[in-house]
Amino acid sequence: GAVVSQHPSWVICKSGTSVKIECRSLDFQATTMFWYRQFPKQSLMLMATSNEGSKATYEQGVEKDKFLINHASLTLSTLTVTSAHPEDSSFYICSARGYLLADDSYNEQFFGPGTRLTVL
Amino acid sequence: AQSVTQPDIHITVSEGASLELRCNYSYGATPYLFWYVQSPGQGLQLLLKYFSGDTLVQGIKGFEAEFKRSQSSFNLRKPSVHWSDAAEYFCAVGPFTGGGNKLTFGTGTQLKVEL
Repeated sequence: GAVVSQHPSWVICKSGTSVKIECRSLDFQATTMFWYRQFPKQSLMLMATSNEGSKATYEQGVEKDKFLINHASLTLSTLTVTSAHPEDSSFYICSARGYLLADDSYNEQFFGPGTRLTVL
Repeated sequence: AQSVTQPDIHITVSEGASLELRCNYSYGATPYLFWYVQSPGQGLQLLLKYFSGDTLVQGIKGFEAEFKRSQSSFNLRKPSVHWSDAAEYFCAVGPFTGGGNKLTFGTGTQLKVEL
């Protein structure tokens, strides 16, 4: 099956610093990647959708200057949390969608294991 | 707008008992439905999905779900729960194709298994 990895799995940083989270599709080409944020004991909230080679589309209420998304290749997307503050502490999950062999997988998203960000 | 409702925030069952997690959706077209499971501190693992065909779908770990169009439901079931099934379960709905491929998730159901 399709595998998506995230790095790092957890990160602790000081307030005011920037943190980059990588999302990679390991065995398929991800034409679209999604970034989600999950607060404790809550559901996933879609932050943005990124298509390879184009600008990300952010959901309403998500600061694009705060959460920089780059999808430079078909296997890698990055989320950079700029000038992080304690309220940015959360669990960030990426997912990837791409063209797999089976037609019915066209629209299926494959999720990464998540990155736990703690801002002190 | 699409939406997913999981009416049960918490469910506790005894090991070996049967389980049913409820999911109701609102969607303007033919929905593509999913159930995911999330263990603490982990990402989401797909249990099963449904788009068309047999309305009873089988998934991994002994789970199954039944699509009922008339009730806009996609309930998840397991005949005999194991202690390792304790986790958070999310129902999601999205388009099969197009629509920005966005998935809408329910708020989740936390399953606790008593030994």
